[in-house]
Amino acid sequence: EAGVTQSPTHLIKTRGQQVTLRCSPISGHTSVYWYQQALGLGLQFLLWYDEGEERNRGNFPPRFSGRQFPNYSSELNVNALELEDSALYLCASSLGAGPGDEQFFGPGTRLTVL
Amino acid sequence: GENVEQHPSTLSVQEGDSAVIKCTYSDSASNYFPWYKQELGKGPQLIIDIRSNVGEKKDQRIAVTLNKTAKHFSLHITETQPEDSAVYFCAASRGNNFNKFYFGSGTKLNVKP
Repeated sequence: EAGVTQSPTHLIKTRGQQVTLRCSPISGHTSVYWYQQALGLGLQFLLWYDEGEERNRGNFPPRFSGRQFPNYSSELNVNALELEDSALYLCASSLGAGPGDEQFFGPGTRLTVL
Repeated sequence: GENVEQHPSTLSVQEGDSAVIKCTYSDSASNYFPWYKQELGKGPQLIIDIRSNVGEKKDQRIAVTLNKTAKHFSLHITETQPEDSAVYFCAASRGNNFNKFYFGSGTKLNVKP
């Protein structure tokens, strides 16, 4: 069974640009989560999608947005990039949205903003 | 919201020794506490979890303990091996429809052969 996949693996952008990151969940998983992991810091919750709907979001500005497609894959969009957006962006999926459903993580996309 | 603190930030042990990583949380409504291991270049991987209705859970060399009164939980790794070297994250979740996980800042464990 394939795990969570993310693309691209690495990305370099300049300030002010926009970026789209992609995530494919494990087959059968309906929930997708996005996290930001800045260097030396823990994971910060960004967004949670389930069944195509945004269920919850973390304390990030509106220029962080995303969506989930009918096949449960997901995109994370970041507009007007800032230097501090440089981080590893992790996507995770879970079988459902039940209490404490295990989240399986992808390898992440390393975003560098210059 | 929830605040999860994790200590120590780095931990170096000799192969065969035990390692203990501690986390505290602030939201008494949190009831699900997973631990993740992140190896270099990879995403975090769940290694063990505990729910608030139990005080301890063991899986071979790994155990987690939970003290709900004190709002802290710990990861114990016995007979450490070099392949245990990684960054470990604790997390806390209410486990309700929010399904929001709050992560600690991570502990870099180095097991010296």
